[in-house]
Amino acid sequence: AQSVTQLGSHVSVSEGALVLLRCNYSSSVPPYLFWYVQYPNQGLQLLLKYTTGATLVKGINGFEAEFKKSETSFHLTKPSAHMSDAAEYFCAVRLSGSNYKLTFGKGTLLTVNP
Amino acid sequence: DAGITQSPRYKITETGRQVTLMCHQTWSHSYMFWYRQDLGHGLRLIYYSAAADITDKGEVPDGYVVSRSKTENFPLTLESATRSQTSVYFCASRTDGQIYYNEQFFGPGTRLTVL
Repeated sequence: AQSVTQLGSHVSVSEGALVLLRCNYSSSVPPYLFWYVQYPNQGLQLLLKYTTGATLVKGINGFEAEFKKSETSFHLTKPSAHMSDAAEYFCAVRLSGSNYKLTFGKGTLLTVNP
Repeated sequence: DAGITQSPRYKITETGRQVTLMCHQTWSHSYMFWYRQDLGHGLRLIYYSAAADITDKGEVPDGYVVSRSKTENFPLTLESATRSQTSVYFCASRTDGQIYYNEQFFGPGTRLTVL
């Protein structure tokens, strides 16, 4: 069975500081990995995804994530936080060979302090 | 409007009543999904549909019914609402083609309160 663990339900950073949101997955085969962002009272929006190829993927709004197979991780980073980054972030996994099912982590709420 | 829309955005109902949440997408995506979002649980899949007239259960289907007579619509019905169904419901759809990793596009959500 696959699962997704996001470490830390709430992360608080100062504006301009590094953002690091952690995601680990459990899967017996390399999965496809996604990060979604949810702004208040809105639906989820795709930030970035890893499918195959380069393990460092860049997304929108300056975010990037690195797939590390040996660590079964897909942590999300941004070098310098902006106030507009305050939102909830979800890591999601789709097993290769599954054409529909996304398993989501429980989410990490990012707060950016001025 | 192009995209994926949900209605109503907010709904308050009483225990035992039937409630239908609507989802409409303009992209002609084959796949559509219903999720519920609850604190501490993230998003959980209720039902999904691979095409018109093809639906299947997800992780938490009990108490819900879906139908899909047209590609663009995917209504979710709570036949007899319970307080445990108080949640935020998201509809999503998925592009075709590269079927193994296409992203899902989400609607704005419906916040349902069952009293």
